[in-house]
Amino acid sequence: ETGVTQSPTHLIKTRGQQVTLRCSSQSGHNTVSWYQQALGQGPQFIFQYYREEENGRGNFPPRFSGLQFPNYSSELNVNALELDDSALYLCASSLLGQGQETQYFGPGTRLLVL
Amino acid sequence: AQSVTQLDSHVSVSEGTPVLLRCNYSSSYSPSLFWYVQHPNKGLQLLLKYTSAATLVKGINGFEAEFKKSETSFHLTKPSAHMSDAAEYFCVVSVRGYGGATNKLIFGTGTLLAVQP
Repeated sequence: ETGVTQSPTHLIKTRGQQVTLRCSSQSGHNTVSWYQQALGQGPQFIFQYYREEENGRGNFPPRFSGLQFPNYSSELNVNALELDDSALYLCASSLLGQGQETQYFGPGTRLLVL
Repeated sequence: AQSVTQLDSHVSVSEGTPVLLRCNYSSSYSPSLFWYVQHPNKGLQLLLKYTSAATLVKGINGFEAEFKKSETSFHLTKPSAHMSDAAEYFCVVSVRGYGGATNKLIFGTGTLLAVQP
């Protein structure tokens, strides 16, 4: 157990809808990163949040957005859902700025877009 | 640019025999490398990490990996496979963003390990 939690565990949406996924980071960590893992592939970096600001972004369109709260928990929002957004969404927490890069992952949210 | 290449998409071993999962990396500076494991319908669990200390890194569940700069490799090994080791394994490199303020993980394509009884 990493202490990183995600909700919900599963979600079904239809194309064009919006979705919000949530992540609670491990105690003492200040950074949350989000990854998308399509079926049969390795995770792809979406973005990272540090001190409540986006701190790096992968090759994802602006309809993928996020937030980080003062308690370091985070949300991932996806607007105008497309079929290809169906994937496992993973969040990872870490302690940036202390020379420690290790990211600890939550169990993921599996999103199905119909 | 930093990247990792996992040389085998599938590896099958018999229970009790050694495991070797191969990974090569590409990095313009001394990399931080990781192995993560993902059991079916589960999140990612950290097995071990290399961050420029000892080149032989010991992880959980009897796994270890050796960083070889001359070969740009970071292969994962275990002396004796157990049925519970069946899972997907990812070799990962950490990439620092501009000014070092960001670190993102770049994953390999994964190696699916099957353990036969």
